[in-house]
Amino acid sequence: DTEVTQTPKHLVMGMTNKKSLKCEQHMGHRAMYWYKQKAKKPPELMFVYSYEKLSINESVPSRFSPECPNSSLLNLHLHALQPEDSALYLCASRRTPGQGVTEAFFGQGTRLTVV
Amino acid sequence: SQQGEEDPQALSIQEGENATMNCSYKTSINNLQWYRQNSGRGLVHLILIRSNEREKHSGRLRVTLDTSKKSSSLLITASRAADTASYFCATLMDSNYQLIWGAGTKLIIKP
Repeated sequence: DTEVTQTPKHLVMGMTNKKSLKCEQHMGHRAMYWYKQKAKKPPELMFVYSYEKLSINESVPSRFSPECPNSSLLNLHLHALQPEDSALYLCASRRTPGQGVTEAFFGQGTRLTVV
Repeated sequence: SQQGEEDPQALSIQEGENATMNCSYKTSINNLQWYRQNSGRGLVHLILIRSNEREKHSGRLRVTLDTSKKSSSLLITASRAADTASYFCATLMDSNYQLIWGAGTKLIIKP
């Protein structure tokens, strides 16, 4: 199984809503990532989890709250978002440096629209 | 974080022709990776080249790495319509969790 599964594929939410994005992988990868991608731009790193602990937070606003309940799951909780937060949100996983350096595996993303 | 530039930003060629994309980066690296992204979807890993390698092949893909110039190129030979996508390079520094991304090249293959 070399898949990273993200749900939902599409999400439309109001600025007062609370929603969550989910990501799951069963490759035994202990590094998991959230990226935000705007149209025609490269992915922009948001958070990195290593061994289920938050290791990097790229100064992301607190309206985005990550959670890593176990080694296979990664969530991104959304609250009080702004229209400019509309983007493609990508989850990725890879082995940690201690596990050997390899490529990252990406999910298909959640297309988020904030109205 | 964005490491450097990719050029061209956009490339349109006829099916069957070869496509070459270039990537430059700024810091020393452990390896450099190329990814493809079809419109609005996730990224797919294509090929990884380590800092001590100069050239690598995978099917119709050929990647070169010049660490003295801090640059890499991706060559796709005998292009097909299905190769239409955006292509990104990404670098990984030693003992680092982060992939640092290039700006991407949008490739269009005309039938």
